[in-house]
Amino acid sequence: AQSVTQLGSHVSVSEGALVLLRCNYSSSVPPYLFWYVQYPNQGLQLLLKYTSAATLVKGINGFEAEFKKSETSFHLTKPSAHMSDAAEYFCAVSDSLAGGTSYGKLTFGQGTILTVHP
Amino acid sequence: EAGVAQSPRYKIIEKRQSVAFWCNPISGHATLYWYQQILGQGPKLLIQFQNNGVVDDSQLPKDRFSAERLKGVDSTLKIQPAKLEDSAMYLCASSLDPGGFSPLHFGNGTRLTVT
Repeated sequence: AQSVTQLGSHVSVSEGALVLLRCNYSSSVPPYLFWYVQYPNQGLQLLLKYTSAATLVKGINGFEAEFKKSETSFHLTKPSAHMSDAAEYFCAVSDSLAGGTSYGKLTFGQGTILTVHP
Repeated sequence: EAGVAQSPRYKIIEKRQSVAFWCNPISGHATLYWYQQILGQGPKLLIQFQNNGVVDDSQLPKDRFSAERLKGVDSTLKIQPAKLEDSAMYLCASSLDPGGFSPLHFGNGTRLTVT
């Protein structure tokens, strides 16, 4: 069974500061990993994804994440926060093996609400 | 390209009433998902369709929830009768294939309040 743990339900940073949102996963097979962002009363939008290519993945809006197999982590970072980054962020995992029980099924973490102060 | 369309955006019903949600996926996307997102939690998969067949409905409360995807395009999700704990955002998503390699495209959701 797959699972995702996001450490910290709320993260607050100042504008211009580093953003670090933590995600640890559990998977019995090589995973696909994703970060999604959700603005109030909207659906989720894909920020970036890891699909077993480069371990450092660059996404939209200046975000990037690094896959670390030894730490089972996929933390999301952005060097300099902007007010428009304030939203809820979700880490998700799916099974990469065709025919696997969780193939194509995304399991989401609980989410981290990012607040950016001026 | 047009995104995933969902309606209605908001719905308020009393417990024991029935409700239906509609979803139109992105054209050409064979895989369609319904997720339930309770306030303060991550989305939980209710049902996954591949074309008009069900791939995974293991977390769908089948005594009250039903879903169909006729002709492999539009989909409806129904709750009958609704309970207070069904209050949530219901998100529809679609993708080109079920493999997880193709990203999910989400609609803006339907916010359901059961009183």
